[in-house]
Amino acid sequence: TQLLEQSPQFLSIQEGENLTVYCNSSSVFSSLQWYRQEPGEGPVLLVTVVTGGEVKKLKRLTFQFGDARKDSSLHITAAQPGDTGLYLCAGEQSAGNMLTFGGGTRLMVKP
Amino acid sequence: EAQVTQNPRYLITVTGKKLTVTCSQNMNHEYMSWYRQDPGLGLRQIYYSMNVEVTDKGDVPEGYKVSRKEKRNFPLILESPSPNQTSLYFCASSFSPDGQPQHFGDGTRLSIL
Repeated sequence: TQLLEQSPQFLSIQEGENLTVYCNSSSVFSSLQWYRQEPGEGPVLLVTVVTGGEVKKLKRLTFQFGDARKDSSLHITAAQPGDTGLYLCAGEQSAGNMLTFGGGTRLMVKP
Repeated sequence: EAQVTQNPRYLITVTGKKLTVTCSQNMNHEYMSWYRQDPGLGLRQIYYSMNVEVTDKGDVPEGYKVSRKEKRNFPLILESPSPNQTSLYFCASSFSPDGQPQHFGDGTRLSIL
């Protein structure tokens, strides 16, 4: 069992649809990061959330950190084929500790 | 251009033949780490280094060694590779480990036959 569980593991949708992916844990995190990884490349940071209840927006992507800082979600509005990739969440359990990654959500957006 | 460079990008080798994957960063980062990525398991940390000559085990260190003789370089060494070490490996660096964004290399795909 992973410390951070991401769901769904796979998601295939049509261009223009909305979607939400989840990152859940029974542990509290002092911060949580979301990365996107494309084939043949390393993960690239999208956002870091730090405060419980925090919401951050990055164009069509909305990130939320749960009030209890145990979970997070990523919502994409009007998905585009360019959103295709592997989305990873990574949490830091307490200041100074290492990042723990979730298993990832592989998203495919079909034109 | 700020980057983390790994070499080689791809390697097919045989069980028991020692290999080294190099990692170099040009951002003067103190913190560097190695991960392996396997389907459904996400990224698992192998080793990390807080600074020169300071290294420590991550979650899955068995079968691996690292060294940090210079700030910019953090090679991953497989003394006697085995098939269960077939994986995609990533090196990452940041100014510190506590919530700072990790900058990743483009990965090294190792196949151990």
